[in-house]
Amino acid sequence: AQTVTQSQPEMSVQEAETVTLSCTYDTSENNYYLFWYKQPPSRQMILVIRQEAYKQQNATENRFSVNFQKAAKSFSLKISDSQLGDTAMYFCAFLSYNNNDMRFGAGTRLTVKP
Amino acid sequence: DAGVIQSPRHEVTEMGQEVTLRCKPISGHDYLFWYRQTMMRGLELLIYFNNNVPIDDSGMPEDRFSAKMPNASFSTLKIQPSEPRDSAVYFCASSDRRAEKLFFGSGTQLSVL
Repeated sequence: AQTVTQSQPEMSVQEAETVTLSCTYDTSENNYYLFWYKQPPSRQMILVIRQEAYKQQNATENRFSVNFQKAAKSFSLKISDSQLGDTAMYFCAFLSYNNNDMRFGAGTRLTVKP
Repeated sequence: DAGVIQSPRHEVTEMGQEVTLRCKPISGHDYLFWYRQTMMRGLELLIYFNNNVPIDDSGMPEDRFSAKMPNASFSTLKIQPSEPRDSAVYFCASSDRRAEKLFFGSGTQLSVL
């Protein structure tokens, strides 16, 4: 079974600075998706960024980018120019091509300080 | 589109009572997922439907839990009888492309006393 590990329960960053959230996963599969979801205090889960394992190029979405290291099974999220609205729980998630059971990590609580 | 709509947003009930959570997926989405979020276990998939048919219910914790999707625009998750350990946030999500692109509702915060 796939597992997703987020080793940083909490992190903080000053506004306008850069922060990196870590994620590792365990799988024997070759084809899969990886995701970062944001959960602000409003509780809704919001997709931040998505990576397909067969793509070597790291995904980017505006201030958000990932460092995908397939051999190391690592998928970190970098947030540049942090904003107060980035304060939230961030979840790393894994999805096999073969099923619809998305596996989530335990989450990292990020606080952006003014 | 208004997104995935869940109701109620909060539910407080007493142990032994029946609880029904409701979900309206995004129009045109043919996949619907129910997740549960707790501090201890994080986010877990309970069940998902494709074209209104339950495909995988292996995540449903026990027979007290049941889910239905009578049509493409409505699904329910029922707990009968409810227990304090069922207290959690329950999310509904829908997609038009399996689980690759999930749109989540705002969740229902369930408290069983």
